[in-house]
Amino acid sequence: GAVVSQHPSRVICKSGTSVKIECRSLDFQATTMFWYRQFPKQSLMLMATSNEGSKATYEQGVEKDKFLINHASLTLSTLTVASAHPEDSSFYICSARRRDQPQHFGDGTRLSIL
Amino acid sequence: ELKVEQNPLFLSMQEGKNYTIYCNYSTTSDRLYWYRQDPGKSLESLFVLLSNGAVKQEGRLMASLDTKARLSTLHITAAVHDLSATYFCAVDLNSNSGYALNFGKGTSLLVTP
Repeated sequence: GAVVSQHPSRVICKSGTSVKIECRSLDFQATTMFWYRQFPKQSLMLMATSNEGSKATYEQGVEKDKFLINHASLTLSTLTVASAHPEDSSFYICSARRRDQPQHFGDGTRLSIL
Repeated sequence: ELKVEQNPLFLSMQEGKNYTIYCNYSTTSDRLYWYRQDPGKSLESLFVLLSNGAVKQEGRLMASLDTKARLSTLHITAAVHDLSATYFCAVDLNSNSGYALNFGKGTSLLVTP
């Protein structure tokens, strides 16, 4: 089946550090990639939608200057958390889909900001 | 705005018992999904329901979809401890989000001996 690789799986860093998370579709070309955030004991909330070669569409309340998304190719999207603070600590999950096919999820990245 | 409501949010059940989790959504949608999430892990796809009346079964889990009632159910038969996890339903959000998923709050299931 389709595989989405997300890296790194865990990040622990100091406040003020910028963190980059990669999401790759390994065996298919993803027309769209999505970034979700999940706080403890809560559901997944969509942060942004990313189409290859175009600017990401951010959900209301998500700061585009803080959560920088680059979708450089049909198999790679990156999320950079700029100058991360403790309140940005969360579980970040990417997903990828091809046209109208179901989404495939990465394994997630647990971000802990000290 | 599409709303997806799951109930119950917490469920503790004994092994061997049956139970149903409900998922209601507020507007028409093409697809409904069920996922399982174990602690500290990402989502595992369980079912994709594509049409009214769709029923799918995998092991002790069975999912159904009634698009007219905007209701999906996830039925657990003869629960075992390994089914303990959080279960999410999700609906395609066909909008500017380009078919992103709108998730319910999740049902945290604990199966006890």
